[in-house]
Amino acid sequence: DAGVTQSPTHLIKTRGQQVTLRCSPKSGHDTVSWYQQALGQGPQFIFQYYEEEERQRGNFPDRFSGHQFPNYSSELNVNALLLGDSALYLCASSPLGMRGTEAFFGQGTRLTVV
Amino acid sequence: QKEVEQNSGPLSVPEGAIASLNCTYSDRVSQSFFWYRQYSGKSPELIMSIYSNGDKEDGRFTAQLNKASQYVSLLIRDSQPSDSATYLCAVNMSGAGSYQLTFGKGTKLSVIP
Repeated sequence: DAGVTQSPTHLIKTRGQQVTLRCSPKSGHDTVSWYQQALGQGPQFIFQYYEEEERQRGNFPDRFSGHQFPNYSSELNVNALLLGDSALYLCASSPLGMRGTEAFFGQGTRLTVV
Repeated sequence: QKEVEQNSGPLSVPEGAIASLNCTYSDRVSQSFFWYRQYSGKSPELIMSIYSNGDKEDGRFTAQLNKASQYVSLLIRDSQPSDSATYLCAVNMSGAGSYQLTFGKGTKLSVIP
């Protein structure tokens, strides 16, 4: 049983560019959340997708957007990249109908903005 | 501002000792509590979840929750060098319809052989 998978694992982008990160949830999971983890910090909640809609959003600007597909996979898009967007981006999935319970993380995408 | 606080460490314990990691949270209505282990350069791995007051044991790990004191802890018995990692406390500070996890900054644990 594959766990949460993310792609790509590493990415280098130039300031001002746009980036798309992808996530496939664990089998049997329907909820996907995205987190940003800066060096030395805990993950910070960006948003959560359930039933193909953004259900909850953290304190991130509109440059951060996402999508969830019918197969529960998800994308995170970041426009107009800033140097401060450099971080580990984590996708977490939660079991069907249990959004407030255990969340399992993928291996993350390390984004570097230069 | 809803917060989760952890001592950043580093916490150093000798091999075979008990490591005690602590976490406090600010939101009284919090319902779900989690401990994640994160090795350097890797993603967080869920090791314990606890939802009600008291202790929950899983192998060498024990999670303790005291909602009245807004305090959750993780005990690691018989600590091994492989337990050396950063331990993240996460809380689901749920009001109605809220499912996001709020994380502490993590406590770095070092187990000395």
